[in-house]
Amino acid sequence: AQSVTQLGSHVSVSEGALVLLRCNYSSSVPPYLFWYVQYPNQGLQLLLKYTSAATLVKGINGFEAEFKKSETSFHLTKPSAHMSDAAEYFCAVSDQAGGFKTIFGAGTRLFVKA
Amino acid sequence: DAMVIQNPRYQVTQFGKPVTLSCSQTLNHNVMYWYQQKSSQAPKLLFHYYDKDFNNEADTPDNFQSRRPNTSFCFLDIRSPGLGDAAMYLCATSGGSLSQETQYFGPGTRLLVL
Repeated sequence: AQSVTQLGSHVSVSEGALVLLRCNYSSSVPPYLFWYVQYPNQGLQLLLKYTSAATLVKGINGFEAEFKKSETSFHLTKPSAHMSDAAEYFCAVSDQAGGFKTIFGAGTRLFVKA
Repeated sequence: DAMVIQNPRYQVTQFGKPVTLSCSQTLNHNVMYWYQQKSSQAPKLLFHYYDKDFNNEADTPDNFQSRRPNTSFCFLDIRSPGLGDAAMYLCATSGGSLSQETQYFGPGTRLLVL
């Protein structure tokens, strides 16, 4: 069965600092991996996804994530945080064996300090 | 732009009074999902439609029902809302030839139960 673990329910960075949000997954078959962002009182917006092409995936708003099979990780990074990046971030996994049912992590709230 | 639309964005109902939330999509996706999301938690899948086939999650209360009259529309009916049903309700879609594994979310409907 698939699962997702996001390390750290809250992460705080200063504006201009590196953002690193950690995600580890479990899947018995090659996974599809996603990062979604959710702003207050909004739906989930797809930031980026890994679908077995390049292991380094670039997304919107300057975010990127690297798929590391040996570490079963899919950490999200951004070189320089902006105040507008403050939001909740969800890592998610799905696979064909699971009928593409998406399993979400518990979420990480990112705070950006001025 | 192709998108997922949810109406209303905010819904207030009374304890025990039936309420219906609606979702429409212009993506022509064959799968539509309903999630419940409570504060600071990950979205929880209630059920989904694969075309006209309804798939209920095992732990979804009987109080929650859904209808999908056509490809574009899907409704969530809460027959007798309780205080514990106050949450954000998210609709999502997936499908199409290139993105069966990726879910696209609407902006959500926040339900308040008085």
